[in-house]
Amino acid sequence: ETGVTQTPRHLVMGMTNKKSLKCEQHLGHNAMYWYKQSAKKPLELMFVYSLEERVENNSVPSRFSPECPNSSHLFLHLHTLQPEDSALYLCASRGTGGAGELFFGEGSRLTVL
Amino acid sequence: AQSVTQPDIHITVSEGASLELRCNYSYGATPYLFWYVQSPGQGLQLLLKYFSGDTLVQGIKGFEAEFKRSQSSFNLRKPSVHWSDAAEYFCAVGPDNYGQNFVFGPGTRLSVLP
Repeated sequence: ETGVTQTPRHLVMGMTNKKSLKCEQHLGHNAMYWYKQSAKKPLELMFVYSLEERVENNSVPSRFSPECPNSSHLFLHLHTLQPEDSALYLCASRGTGGAGELFFGEGSRLTVL
Repeated sequence: AQSVTQPDIHITVSEGASLELRCNYSYGATPYLFWYVQSPGQGLQLLLKYFSGDTLVQGIKGFEAEFKRSQSSFNLRKPSVHWSDAAEYFCAVGPDNYGQNFVFGPGTRLSVLP
């Protein structure tokens, strides 16, 4: 496998469920990102991990909980979500050095009922 | 703070016509600039990037972009659009050497008429 892989691609959950989104990168990068993409809104940065440490937490509600066990894997744990959390969640990775670009996965489409 | 604007929410062009998508940014230093494309239900794919040097950069799928510091612009162009170019296009400013955050514009949706 190459690139950035996200699972599941689609997820439907009730407001009381607990679920997780998974991201895996095979690019040897050491920074990983979660973005939220809602209709009619720009991409919103949620979290950034660099060398497995969280370096950005963009005022995200605590019902979203990230986990980065190693530089290749990133999770987003979901608990007690609201319908307005329905969105496309995009994972991305980036190498070290100043000018690298983001490499995105295909996204996980989340619907909260 | 960094910001990116894309003045056109939606553009429609005929197949074979030329295309220009506008992007303006606000950034204190020399920016790292990117254009990404997103097809429906997919992630973002990098079209091209500018870091330094030649202000006209070539990308994939026949796209090019020109960095104009005086206008704080990084417009995307293609001389002849194909039906498969219909997608959402995002301009982005990358972080400086000490940061990690990329700032994306709101996107421009491109429709292509046969």
